[in-house]
Amino acid sequence: KNQVEQSPQSLIILEGKNCTLQCNYTVSPFSNLRWYKQDTGRGPVSLTIMTFSENTKSNGRYTATLDADTKQSSLHITASQLSDSASYICVVRDSNDYKLSFGAGTTVTVRA
Amino acid sequence: NAGVTQTPKFQVLKTGQSMTLQCAQDMNHNSMYWYRQDPGMGLRLIYYSASEGTTDKGEVPNGYNVSRLNKREFSLRLESAAPSQTSVYFCASSEVPAFQGTEAFFGQGTRLTVV
Repeated sequence: KNQVEQSPQSLIILEGKNCTLQCNYTVSPFSNLRWYKQDTGRGPVSLTIMTFSENTKSNGRYTATLDADTKQSSLHITASQLSDSASYICVVRDSNDYKLSFGAGTTVTVRA
Repeated sequence: NAGVTQTPKFQVLKTGQSMTLQCAQDMNHNSMYWYRQDPGMGLRLIYYSASEGTTDKGEVPNGYNVSRLNKREFSLRLESAAPSQTSVYFCASSEVPAFQGTEAFFGQGTRLTVV
């Protein structure tokens, strides 16, 4: 069964600090991986997509990495802001199935 | 820019009651989806409609039915609500089926409590 595991489950950081979220997956054959940001009471919004051939991709202060060999991805948030407080969800798609595999998310709380 | 609109935002049902969750998108997307989100778990696909006129079961379809009313609207019906269906429900849409790699756009969610 395809699985997506995210860590940590939650974290608290001070405004201005950096943090890194992890996503490990067993989805095979791998097609792509998306990171979504979900604000409280809202639906998820895509931050970035990583395909097999991409190692690093940035979207503003968000930088995603992918190691397809070890089946790991990370999302790095630089110089955190209060608005970064949200749940970050890793979603992996395989090449065969209709189904996307969602991680349970990492809840980030940024404090002033 | 409305995007994906879900109604209602909150609902409390008694066990055995029925209700329909409504979803509409204004992005001219072909594909639409219903997910549920439970604490500590990733979103799980209930049903999807790859294109107007088609619907298919997802990962957790039991206890639900759907209707793709037209290209814009995709409704989810609970015929006889059970406490296990307490969850947050998200409707989403994408230009082509999300399993082809396109981004899915989500609504704000419906928080349903079954007592």
